[in-house]
Amino acid sequence: EAQVTQNPRYLITVTGKKLTVTCSQNMNHEYMSWYRQDPGLGLRQIYYSMNVEVTDKGDVPEGYKVSRKEKRNFPLILESPSPNQTSLYFCASSLVAGGPRDTQYFGPGTRLTVL
Amino acid sequence: SQQGEEDPQALSIQEGENATMNCSYKTSINNLQWYRQNSGRGLVHLILIRSNEREKHSGRLRVTLDTSKKSRSLLITASRAADTASYFCATDGWSTGGFKTIFGAGTRLFVKA
Repeated sequence: EAQVTQNPRYLITVTGKKLTVTCSQNMNHEYMSWYRQDPGLGLRQIYYSMNVEVTDKGDVPEGYKVSRKEKRNFPLILESPSPNQTSLYFCASSLVAGGPRDTQYFGPGTRLTVL
Repeated sequence: SQQGEEDPQALSIQEGENATMNCSYKTSINNLQWYRQNSGRGLVHLILIRSNEREKHSGRLRVTLDTSKKSRSLLITASRAADTASYFCATDGWSTGGFKTIFGAGTRLFVKA
């Protein structure tokens, strides 16, 4: 089944404790992206990757890191989480960014709480 | 941020009525997509309309372009209780900061049975 998976789905942590949220897609998509969703703000793009070893900042990259060593995986790293990073996080992928079939497929979300 | 603006923020209608949601941007609109989200779950793609298309249909969904308002509307006809969800528009394209995807704040639709 074609899908985007994220782990963990729920995470409660404390300020300053490094964490990684994994994202994996099995559709051989080139483009992957991370978003955070906060009430009343819709989704805001954190980082995106056009292809392996190519990553770039979205609108709200502060406090986050990403890597794209393999096509299928795009982990989101919070080196020193803070309470303002409490949010619902989504990973998404699409075949090719901006192409004729640029539908993004979303993962189920990771609800992160930083105490 | 170039975040899109959606209106209304919330919409409550009776089953069988049509629901219209608008999505407008300050900058030029590229390809635009509509997504649906059920209660904190992942987003599901509904329909894509290209920048050079004025109208697009998919089942009970219709997207139209209003050039005077720089907006695109999503119309859901003959709504059902199962259409209750949040709906988001998104546009993406190249800008000075790179390739970005920008979502609107969303419209919460409630369809009463």
